[in-house]
Amino acid sequence: QKEVEQDPGPLSVPEGAIVSLNCTYSNSAFQYFMWYRQYSRKGPELLMYTYSSGNKEDGRFTAQVDKSSKYISLFIRDSQPSDSATYLCAMSGAAGNKLTFGGGTRVLVKP
Amino acid sequence: DTEVTQTPKHLVMGMTNKKSLKCEQHMGHRAMYWYKQKAKKPPELMFVYSYEKLSINESVPSRFSPECPNSSLLNLHLHALQPEDSALYLCASSQKSRPASSQSGDGYTFGSGTRLTVV
Repeated sequence: QKEVEQDPGPLSVPEGAIVSLNCTYSNSAFQYFMWYRQYSRKGPELLMYTYSSGNKEDGRFTAQVDKSSKYISLFIRDSQPSDSATYLCAMSGAAGNKLTFGGGTRVLVKP
Repeated sequence: DTEVTQTPKHLVMGMTNKKSLKCEQHMGHRAMYWYKQKAKKPPELMFVYSYEKLSINESVPSRFSPECPNSSLLNLHLHALQPEDSALYLCASSQKSRPASSQSGDGYTFGSGTRLTVV
Protein backbone atom coordinates (compact mmCIF):
# COMPACT_ATOMS: atom_id res chain seq x y z
CA GLN A 1 0.00 0.00 0.00
CA LYS A 2 1.30 3.43 -0.95
CA GLU A 3 1.68 6.04 1.78
CA VAL A 4 -0.33 8.54 -0.26
CA GLU A 5 -3.11 7.49 -2.62
CA GLN A 6 -4.46 9.73 -5.36
CA ASP A 7 -6.79 8.85 -8.24
CA PRO A 8 -4.82 9.26 -11.49
CA GLY A 9 -7.84 10.41 -13.52
CA PRO A 10 -8.13 11.86 -16.06
CA LEU A 11 -10.84 14.06 -14.60
CA SER A 12 -12.66 15.89 -17.37
CA VAL A 13 -14.96 18.82 -16.55
CA PRO A 14 -16.61 21.61 -18.55
CA GLU A 15 -15.33 25.14 -18.18
CA GLY A 16 -16.84 26.86 -15.15
CA ALA A 17 -17.42 23.65 -13.19
CA ILE A 18 -15.96 22.89 -9.79
CA VAL A 19 -12.98 20.54 -9.83
CA SER A 20 -12.78 18.28 -6.79
CA LEU A 21 -9.52 16.47 -6.03
CA ASN A 22 -8.54 14.39 -3.05
CA CYS A 23 -5.85 12.23 -1.50
CA THR A 24 -5.82 9.71 1.30
CA TYR A 25 -2.79 8.83 3.34
CA SER A 26 -1.74 6.28 5.92
CA ASN A 27 1.08 7.98 7.87
CA SER A 28 -0.37 9.75 10.91
CA ALA A 29 2.91 11.67 11.34
CA PHE A 30 2.18 13.89 8.34
CA GLN A 31 1.56 17.47 9.44
CA TYR A 32 2.16 19.65 6.37
CA PHE A 33 -0.11 19.23 3.37
CA MET A 34 0.37 20.77 -0.03
CA TRP A 35 -1.14 20.83 -3.47
CA TYR A 36 1.01 21.37 -6.54
CA ARG A 37 0.02 21.99 -10.15
CA GLN A 38 2.30 20.65 -12.84
CA TYR A 39 2.02 21.46 -16.50
CA SER A 40 3.58 19.12 -19.02
CA ARG A 41 7.38 19.27 -19.02
CA LYS A 42 7.44 21.88 -16.23
CA GLY A 43 8.30 21.75 -12.55
CA PRO A 44 5.54 21.55 -9.91
CA GLU A 45 4.07 24.87 -8.78
CA LEU A 46 2.90 25.23 -5.18
CA LEU A 47 -0.80 26.12 -5.08
CA MET A 48 -1.91 25.59 -1.53
CA TYR A 49 -0.35 24.73 1.80
CA THR A 50 -2.10 23.71 5.01
CA TYR A 51 -0.63 22.89 8.37
CA SER A 52 -2.51 20.21 10.33
CA SER A 53 -6.31 20.03 10.01
CA GLY A 54 -8.44 22.83 8.66
CA ASN A 55 -9.50 24.73 5.60
CA LYS A 56 -7.70 27.35 3.57
CA GLU A 57 -9.01 29.47 0.73
CA ASP A 58 -7.02 31.40 -1.85
CA GLY A 59 -8.93 32.88 -4.75
CA ARG A 60 -10.58 30.05 -6.68
CA PHE A 61 -8.78 27.39 -4.65
CA THR A 62 -9.90 25.79 -1.37
CA ALA A 63 -7.85 23.19 0.45
CA GLN A 64 -9.23 21.01 3.24
CA VAL A 65 -7.41 18.67 5.59
CA ASP A 66 -9.13 16.13 7.82
CA LYS A 67 -6.41 14.43 9.84
CA SER A 68 -8.88 12.22 11.71
CA SER A 69 -9.86 10.63 8.39
CA LYS A 70 -6.39 11.02 6.80
CA TYR A 71 -8.04 12.76 3.87
CA ILE A 72 -7.21 15.98 2.05
CA SER A 73 -9.07 17.79 -0.70
CA LEU A 74 -8.58 20.58 -3.20
CA PHE A 75 -11.48 22.39 -4.84
CA ILE A 76 -11.10 24.63 -7.86
CA ARG A 77 -14.07 26.92 -8.51
CA ASP A 78 -14.96 28.42 -11.88
CA SER A 79 -12.48 26.15 -13.62
CA GLN A 80 -10.71 27.44 -16.74
CA PRO A 81 -9.02 25.61 -19.62
CA SER A 82 -5.75 26.95 -18.25
CA ASP A 83 -6.36 24.82 -15.14
CA SER A 84 -5.78 21.72 -17.27
CA ALA A 85 -2.73 20.11 -15.69
CA THR A 86 -1.66 17.35 -13.34
CA TYR A 87 -2.38 18.08 -9.68
CA LEU A 88 -0.14 16.51 -7.08
CA CYS A 89 -0.85 16.30 -3.39
CA ALA A 90 2.21 16.22 -1.14
CA MET A 91 2.75 15.96 2.58
CA SER A 92 5.50 15.80 5.14
CA GLY A 93 6.13 15.25 8.80
CA ALA A 94 7.20 17.78 11.43
CA ALA A 95 10.74 18.07 10.10
CA GLY A 96 9.35 19.17 6.78
CA ASN A 97 12.42 18.11 4.88
CA LYS A 98 10.95 15.30 2.81
CA LEU A 99 7.83 15.49 0.71
CA THR A 100 5.82 12.38 -0.03
CA PHE A 101 3.75 12.85 -3.16
CA GLY A 102 0.56 11.28 -4.36
CA GLY A 103 0.63 9.88 -7.88
CA GLY A 104 -1.06 12.94 -9.36
CA THR A 105 -4.47 13.50 -10.96
CA ARG A 106 -4.65 14.69 -14.54
CA VAL A 107 -7.38 17.32 -14.98
CA LEU A 108 -8.86 18.42 -18.30
CA VAL A 109 -11.10 21.50 -18.40
CA LYS A 110 -12.96 21.64 -21.69
CA PRO A 111 -14.05 25.00 -23.19
CA ASP B 1 13.53 36.91 -7.09
CA THR B 2 11.19 34.03 -6.23
CA GLU B 3 12.54 31.47 -8.66
CA VAL B 4 14.65 28.38 -8.70
CA THR B 5 16.73 28.34 -11.89
CA GLN B 6 17.97 25.09 -13.36
CA THR B 7 20.45 24.63 -16.19
CA PRO B 8 20.58 23.13 -18.68
CA LYS B 9 16.91 22.63 -19.58
CA HIS B 10 17.74 19.61 -21.72
CA LEU B 11 20.74 17.28 -21.65
CA VAL B 12 21.62 14.25 -23.73
CA MET B 13 24.61 12.27 -22.55
CA GLY B 14 26.30 8.97 -23.28
CA MET B 15 26.83 6.33 -20.66
CA THR B 16 30.54 7.15 -20.41
CA ASN B 17 30.10 10.91 -20.14
CA LYS B 18 30.47 13.15 -17.10
CA LYS B 19 28.07 16.05 -16.84
CA SER B 20 26.66 18.35 -14.18
CA LEU B 21 23.24 19.82 -13.50
CA LYS B 22 23.09 23.22 -11.85
CA CYS B 23 20.50 24.85 -9.63
CA GLU B 24 20.43 28.38 -8.26
CA GLN B 25 18.11 30.32 -5.95
CA HIS B 26 18.35 33.78 -4.43
CA MET B 27 15.44 33.62 -2.00
CA GLY B 28 17.66 33.07 1.03
CA HIS B 29 16.38 29.52 1.38
CA ARG B 30 18.65 27.33 3.47
CA ALA B 31 17.38 23.94 2.35
CA MET B 32 17.80 22.63 -1.20
CA TYR B 33 16.68 19.39 -2.74
CA TRP B 34 17.12 17.16 -5.76
CA TYR B 35 14.17 15.15 -7.01
CA LYS B 36 13.87 12.73 -9.92
CA GLN B 37 10.63 12.42 -11.87
CA LYS B 38 9.85 9.76 -14.43
CA ALA B 39 7.06 10.24 -16.96
CA LYS B 40 3.56 10.19 -15.43
CA LYS B 41 5.01 9.55 -11.97
CA PRO B 42 5.36 11.86 -8.99
CA PRO B 43 8.74 13.33 -8.02
CA GLU B 44 10.98 11.12 -5.90
CA LEU B 45 13.38 12.64 -3.40
CA MET B 46 17.08 12.02 -4.01
CA PHE B 47 19.03 14.40 -1.75
CA VAL B 48 18.43 17.11 0.84
CA TYR B 49 20.92 19.80 1.77
CA SER B 50 20.29 21.85 4.88
CA TYR B 51 22.58 24.80 5.58
CA GLU B 52 24.95 23.52 2.88
CA LYS B 53 25.30 20.11 4.52
CA LEU B 54 23.94 16.89 3.09
CA SER B 55 21.22 15.76 5.47
CA ILE B 56 19.34 13.13 3.46
CA ASN B 57 20.54 10.70 0.79
CA GLU B 58 17.69 8.43 -0.28
CA SER B 59 20.03 5.52 -1.11
CA VAL B 60 20.87 7.09 -4.45
CA PRO B 61 23.51 5.26 -6.55
CA SER B 62 26.99 6.77 -6.40
CA ARG B 63 26.87 7.66 -10.09
CA PHE B 64 24.86 10.66 -8.84
CA SER B 65 27.00 13.00 -6.73
CA PRO B 66 25.48 16.14 -5.20
CA GLU B 67 27.40 19.25 -4.24
CA CYS B 68 26.36 22.43 -2.47
CA PRO B 69 29.13 25.04 -2.97
CA ASN B 70 27.19 27.75 -1.13
CA SER B 71 23.72 28.57 0.12
CA SER B 72 22.51 29.65 -3.32
CA LEU B 73 23.90 26.88 -5.50
CA LEU B 74 23.29 23.17 -5.81
CA ASN B 75 24.93 20.87 -8.32
CA LEU B 76 24.32 17.28 -9.31
CA HIS B 77 27.30 15.59 -10.90
CA LEU B 78 26.54 12.69 -13.21
CA HIS B 79 28.91 9.92 -14.23
CA ALA B 80 28.44 6.56 -15.93
CA LEU B 81 24.67 6.83 -16.01
CA GLN B 82 22.36 4.18 -17.38
CA PRO B 83 19.50 4.65 -19.87
CA GLU B 84 17.01 4.05 -17.05
CA ASP B 85 18.33 7.21 -15.38
CA SER B 86 16.65 9.24 -18.11
CA ALA B 87 14.12 11.47 -16.34
CA LEU B 88 13.23 15.03 -15.36
CA TYR B 89 15.55 16.15 -12.58
CA LEU B 90 14.01 18.78 -10.36
CA CYS B 91 15.69 21.09 -7.91
CA ALA B 92 13.72 22.68 -5.09
CA SER B 93 14.41 24.97 -2.17
CA SER B 94 12.68 25.93 1.05
CA GLN B 95 13.30 28.31 3.91
CA LYS B 96 14.50 25.99 6.68
CA SER B 97 13.95 22.39 5.62
CA ARG B 98 10.25 23.17 5.83
CA PRO B 99 8.02 22.68 2.81
CA ALA B 100 6.12 25.93 3.15
CA SER B 101 4.90 28.47 5.62
CA SER B 102 2.21 31.10 5.79
CA GLN B 103 4.65 33.82 4.78
CA SER B 104 4.78 34.67 1.13
CA GLY B 105 7.97 33.71 -0.60
CA ASP B 106 8.72 31.13 2.04
CA GLY B 107 7.42 28.13 0.20
CA TYR B 108 8.90 24.92 -1.15
CA THR B 109 9.73 26.12 -4.65
CA PHE B 110 10.61 23.87 -7.57
CA GLY B 111 12.63 24.75 -10.64
CA SER B 112 11.46 23.85 -14.13
CA GLY B 113 13.80 20.89 -14.23
CA THR B 114 16.45 19.42 -16.48
CA ARG B 115 15.19 16.79 -18.89
CA LEU B 116 17.98 14.23 -19.06
CA THR B 117 18.30 11.56 -21.73
CA VAL B 118 20.99 8.92 -21.39
CA VAL B 119 21.89 7.16 -24.62
